[in-house]
Amino acid sequence: GAGVSQSPRYKVAKRGQDVALRCDPISGHVSLFWYQQALGQGPEFLTYFQNEAQLDKSGLPSDRFFAERPEGSVSTLKIQRTQQEDSAVYLCASSLVRVRTDTQYFGPGTRLTVL
Amino acid sequence: LAKTTQPISMDSYEGQEVNITCSHNNIATNDYITWYQQFPSQGPRFIIQGYKTKVTNEVASLFIPADRKSSTLSLPRVSLSDTAVYYCLQEAGYALNFGKGTSLLVTP
Repeated sequence: GAGVSQSPRYKVAKRGQDVALRCDPISGHVSLFWYQQALGQGPEFLTYFQNEAQLDKSGLPSDRFFAERPEGSVSTLKIQRTQQEDSAVYLCASSLVRVRTDTQYFGPGTRLTVL
Repeated sequence: LAKTTQPISMDSYEGQEVNITCSHNNIATNDYITWYQQFPSQGPRFIIQGYKTKVTNEVASLFIPADRKSSTLSLPRVSLSDTAVYYCLQEAGYALNFGKGTSLLVTP
């Protein structure tokens, strides 16, 4: 595709429900990142994949958050037993290679609202 | 916590040059300075990156003095569509550290 796509664009969940957010990175991009953006704040790093390997999950806020990229392309961020504080925009980004200064290309994000 | 400091907001009129300054007093030798732009309901978009001196592309210029403790993003002749949040990042690794950014409002 032309860019990073994410689905759904909007998700409303009742507190306690599980949600799954999907990211389709740019074809051929090795690295994939998830960020969380609260209202009025900049994005905050959650986790990083290089191909199918999750190399860094230090930013995941709790063990309710889980991410996977089983075939090294599409990634899913899963949040179990959602809480109101999970309400945020979840951004996915990809980059071509694992080079420190490589540009990250972001998707439009999924806005999650937990009631 | 973000490593950089930048103004919370700025206002400009169409057609003016806008300079957004960022402080990064604890910048390390291997760090680059990168700027991203974010429109409402969109993900951030890379604008420009530099290490020292001046870098220019079709969108902006980036000035970094010799001590590298600050940098200035220069947007020539802004238009209404340049209204966005601009983030200055001191890149030390793959995990981008955005901070709150500078909200730029361009008016007619």
